[in-house]
Amino acid sequence: GEDVEQSLFLSVREGDSSVINCTYTDSSSTYLYWYKQEPGAGLQLLTYIFSNMDMKQDQRLTVLLNKKDKHLSLRIADTQTGDSAIYFCAAPEVGKSTFGDGTTLTVKP
Amino acid sequence: DTAVSQTPKYLVTQMGNDKSIKCEQNLGHDTMYWYKQDSKKFLKIMFSYNNKELIINETVPNRFSPKSPDKAHLNLHINSLELGDSAVYFCASSDSTVGDNSPLHFGNGTRLTVT
Repeated sequence: GEDVEQSLFLSVREGDSSVINCTYTDSSSTYLYWYKQEPGAGLQLLTYIFSNMDMKQDQRLTVLLNKKDKHLSLRIADTQTGDSAIYFCAAPEVGKSTFGDGTTLTVKP
Repeated sequence: DTAVSQTPKYLVTQMGNDKSIKCEQNLGHDTMYWYKQDSKKFLKIMFSYNNKELIINETVPNRFSPKSPDKAHLNLHINSLELGDSAVYFCASSDSTVGDNSPLHFGNGTRLTVT
């Protein structure tokens, strides 16, 4: 089955850029996803990238995909305190999504 | 509002009891899931149903029994609750007709505490 790995914690200062990294084992997924979980809430789809793309930009978010190294990253520019949350990468398989362990992003004022 | 809704939001119960969590989605999706999130926030899939048929059952104890009366509902019944069952349980749904990799939409979770 799919294995998805992320570092567990990241702390940045407000206004800095945040980079959250993810590695996965299965390269057959058509899309790879990033989800955001705020305290006490469910996971919300944040962004995604099609597997034949290297980069996708969506306002402050930049997703980079290195298929050769099976490495996915999420960059948040000008990080704000409201970005503090847990970020999960997900690599779907048939009938399920396997999630990484989540990276807790803490933004300090 | 279009959403995945699950009830109750909080559930506190004693060991040995039987409890159910309900989930409904009005997104018209054909696939529904139960995930368990433990105290370390790790998220693990438990079950997946497509058009009311079980397609994924990930090494979950027999005390957990999902039931899907129709495509829009997936309920989770837990027998003989144990302390280790304490967690947040998330229901989710997706639309497999747009592809196997379609994104999941999550409910807000049910926090189960077993005392």
